[in-house]
Amino acid sequence: EAGVVQSPRYKIIEKKQPVAFWCNPISGHNTLYWYLQNLGQGPELLIRYENEEAVDDSQLPKDRFSAERLKGVDSTLKIQPAELGDSAVYLCASSFRSGQSHEQYFGPGTRLTVT
Amino acid sequence: QKEVEQNSGPLSVPEGAIASLNCTYSDRGSQSFFWYRQYSGKSPELIMFIYSNGDKEDGRFTAQLNKASQYVSLLIRDSQPSDSATYLCAVESNNNDMRFGAGTRLTVKP
Repeated sequence: EAGVVQSPRYKIIEKKQPVAFWCNPISGHNTLYWYLQNLGQGPELLIRYENEEAVDDSQLPKDRFSAERLKGVDSTLKIQPAELGDSAVYLCASSFRSGQSHEQYFGPGTRLTVT
Repeated sequence: QKEVEQNSGPLSVPEGAIASLNCTYSDRGSQSFFWYRQYSGKSPELIMFIYSNGDKEDGRFTAQLNKASQYVSLLIRDSQPSDSATYLCAVESNNNDMRFGAGTRLTVKP
């Protein structure tokens, strides 16, 4: 079974430029998460989707970050404009929420460097 | 107070020993608990989850949960050099918010 797919794996951009990340979750998983991870820290949730609905985006900096999950499958996370402090690894995870079972599985991440 | 706290380490154990990793959490209503392993430059990999008080064993790994003490631990028996990684504790609250600790770096010395 294929895992969570993310692209690109690496991205280097200049500040004030836009950038977009793409995620394809594990087949059948109804919940999709975007996290940000800084070096030496645990992942921090940016947004959680249940199917196509964003049910938790309280940590998403909405002035520059946006996300969408059309048709409840793939998702895109966008930053516009990027700032130096946005340099981090952006992780996508997915899970199938059924009763108490809802283990999350992560993709390989996108390492963003803003110069 | 951080929501999920872990000793950052590094924790160093000899090969073949038991490694004990600890995690405390602040939200008493938390229901689900996870341990992830993260190798340097890689993404987190789920290795254990536990939802009920007590112990849960899977191969060389044992997760222990004590909700009254708001404490969850991971034991790794017969530690191998390949177990050297950062171990992340993750706690999910009643409203499905997942919070991660900063991780404990484990080194297993041959």
